[in-house]
Amino acid sequence: DSGVTQTPKHLITATGQRVTLRCSPRSGDLSVYWYQQSLDQGLQFLIQYYNGEERAKGNILERFSAQQFPDLHSELNLSSLELGDSALYFCASSVSPGTGGYTFGSGTRLTVV
Amino acid sequence: GENVEQHPSTLSVQEGDSAVIKCTYSDSASNYFPWYKQELGKGPQLIIDIRSNVGEKKDQRIAVTLNKTAKHFSLHITETQPEDSAVYFCAASSFDFGNEKLTFGTGTRLTIIP
Repeated sequence: DSGVTQTPKHLITATGQRVTLRCSPRSGDLSVYWYQQSLDQGLQFLIQYYNGEERAKGNILERFSAQQFPDLHSELNLSSLELGDSALYFCASSVSPGTGGYTFGSGTRLTVV
Repeated sequence: GENVEQHPSTLSVQEGDSAVIKCTYSDSASNYFPWYKQELGKGPQLIIDIRSNVGEKKDQRIAVTLNKTAKHFSLHITETQPEDSAVYFCAASSFDFGNEKLTFGTGTRLTIIP
């Protein structure tokens, strides 16, 4: 157990739907990062939050949004889902930006049918 | 933005032999280079990292080397064991406070042959 908790582990949904993925960071970590892992794309950075504030954005689609709450958990919202959104979504956390040592959760496998 | 290339994409070595995975990066401002191991059904796990002010770092059977001039860094695993079989990812990042993004290589599937 890495200390980063992601729920749900698996999600199957239809095209056009909206889903929410949840991440609880490791105790004491203030930074949360979201990554998408597809078979042919490797690990793609989506977005980073630090203590409730958005700090960096990657190639995150406009249909996707995220937030970090006061208790530091984070949610990634994916809407108007397409088949191509099927992937593993990972959350990672660290104490703060610049400290390195990201700890990853075990991921949410999203399948869009 | 940063671009990280990783080679080879697959690697098979006999148990007990050494394995080397190489990465190159494009952004000269990058100053942090971690390596992650991902086993089937799990998230990536940090196994070793190096910062730009260090040329080499070792941790038991694992070592990482960094050549800033050439912008490449390598992972060396000695005396490989079956449990080393996994996908390995290199990554590079620059840490300007408030703007941080870890860019990953495309991964190397390492298979240890008993």
